[in-house]
Amino acid sequence: AQRVTQPEKLLSVFKGAPVELKCNYSYSGSPELFWYVQYSRQRLQLLLRHISRESIKGFTADLNKGETSFHLKKPFAQEEDSAMYYCALYSSASKIIFGSGTRLSIRP
Amino acid sequence: ETGVTQSPTHLIKTRGQQVTLRCSSQSGHNTVSWYQQALGQGPQFIFQYYREEENGRGNFPPRFSGLQFPNYSSELNVNALELDDSALYLCASSLRTSGRGAQETQYFGPGTRLLVL
Repeated sequence: AQRVTQPEKLLSVFKGAPVELKCNYSYSGSPELFWYVQYSRQRLQLLLRHISRESIKGFTADLNKGETSFHLKKPFAQEEDSAMYYCALYSSASKIIFGSGTRLSIRP
Repeated sequence: ETGVTQSPTHLIKTRGQQVTLRCSSQSGHNTVSWYQQALGQGPQFIFQYYREEENGRGNFPPRFSGLQFPNYSSELNVNALELDDSALYLCASSLRTSGRGAQETQYFGPGTRLLVL
């Protein structure tokens, strides 16, 4: 079955500390993976996608097919990073499967 | 450039009733996707419309149906409402320029919060 798992509902780190939001997926074939973010009182928006191999707002995510993971990382957390983060997988027939989300809280 | 808008922002219905939710896609976009987001969960894909035709569907019963209009706006209709239909309904629009739809970025609306009593 195609699935996205985000094991942490809440992650709290201090400002300046490294951040890693975990995402594991289940998919047969070559996955297309994304990270979406929702800041307080804002809409859900795309943060990054693995095919672009880009860094957005200091965040990166590497696809590890062996571990079926797509963890989101940032070396130094900032207060404005506090938000809800969703990992998502493109499935067949235009379907995107979202994980249940991780709330990231950055403590000053 | 106008962003994705949804109406109404929230509404309350009773079990068994029918509801229609509306979405105006971002200017220039031709594809609309609908999602249901229950409390504490990620969005769940309901279906997608591309050029007025359904172009993919998630695991939702037929009482969830949709339309896309020539101006690419869209409606989500839910018949015979059940208590479990209470959720935030999100619409997202995108511009598809090729046959496969995942590469384009989806732009989300603010959602419609539905409460079924």
